[in-house]
Formats: sequence, structure tokens, C-alpha cells
Amino acid sequence: AQSVTQLGSHVSVSEGALVLLRCNYSSSVPPYLFWYVQYPNQGLQLLLKYTTGATLVKGINGFEAEFKKSETSFHLTKPSAHMSDAAEYFCAVSPYQAGTALIFGKGTTLSVSS
Amino acid sequence: DTGVSQDPRHKITKRGQNVTFRCDPISEHNRLYWYRQTLGQGPEFLTYFQNEAQLEKSRLLSDRFSAERPKGSFSTLEIQRTEQGDSAMYLCASSSSSPGYYTFGSGTRLTVV
Repeated sequence: AQSVTQLGSHVSVSEGALVLLRCNYSSSVPPYLFWYVQYPNQGLQLLLKYTTGATLVKGINGFEAEFKKSETSFHLTKPSAHMSDAAEYFCAVSPYQAGTALIFGKGTTLSVSS
Repeated sequence: DTGVSQDPRHKITKRGQNVTFRCDPISEHNRLYWYRQTLGQGPEFLTYFQNEAQLEKSRLLSDRFSAERPKGSFSTLEIQRTEQGDSAMYLCASSSSSPGYYTFGSGTRLTVV
């Protein structure tokens, strides 16, 4: 079975500061890993995903994440936060198999102050 | 590619009424998923279709919930005898046979009063 734990339900940073959102997963098979962003009253937008290959994955809006199998982690980072990054972020996992539903973490709310 | 469409965007209903939501996936996607998201939580998987076949259902999907995808295209999610605990955002997603490609709709927000 797969599961996702997002450490910290709320993260606050200043504009221009490093963003680090933590995600640890549990999976009995090689996982696919995802980060999604959700703005209020909207659906989910894919930031980036890891399937196979390079473990450092670059996504949209300057975000990146690194798959670390030994640590079962897939933390999301951005070197310099913008006000527009304030949103809810979800980490998700699915097993290495097409068509299987995503399992989501509970989410982390990112606040950015000026 | 017009994305995944969900209708309605918002629905307010009285407790005990039935409601139905519709999801139109990306046309070439053969897989379709329904999720429920309550305030402050991540999306929770409800059910999954491959073409018209419903292949997986979560235990969250009580007998008041039913989902269909009659021709392998659009899907409907019906909730009978709604309860206040059903108030949530209902998200639909679709994917192709290629692994790792899921597209989400904007969701239907249900409020049961």
C-alpha cells in the first residue's frame, strides 16, 4: 500500500526566501511521485513529477524536487519565494503502474509575506 | 485539448436531496477518477474507471454514492439522500495509458444545508 506524509501543515516564508516543503512516502513498489498546487476554489495543477530517470526533477514556476529513495523523500524546493506562490501544495504517490489512482498527502499551506 | 470539465462548479442542496455531478475527461483519455476533498485535507480517492468499466471503489464510497461512465466518455457521480457530511469539493481527473499523466478538473463544490 502507498501513503504520503507531508511534514508541516503550514509553512510561512518571506518573499525572496527559500521554500522547502517536505514529503515522505511509503510504497511497496517503485513509486511515481507528484507535487500539485491548488489555489482557492480551484482544481489541482501539476507542478512536477518523478517517474523514472533523473532524480532531480524541475517543474513549473521555478520549483524542483529530488527523489531520494534511501530517505523515501520527495521534498519540494524553490530558491526564492514570490507572493504568487502562496497556495496549498499536495504531494502524491502512485505505484509504478499506469492507471492506478493517486494517493495524496494532507497538504501544506504556503504563506508568503512581503 | 480542452482539459477536464466538471459541471456544475457549485451546488447547494438541502439535506436528503439527491445530486448528480458530471465530468467530461480529455477525449483521448481512457481512465477517469473521482476524488473527494474536504476542507483542510488532501483529495481522497473515491472510484476509478477504465473506459466504461468501474475497476476500483474506495470504502469511502457508501451505498448512497454511485458513479457511471456509460459509454466510456463522460462520467456522472450521484449522491442520494445527501447528508451534511457530504459537503466537499468533488474532483474528477483523467489519464491516458501513459503512466504519470493525470489531468484534474476544477471540481464541483457541494454544500449540503
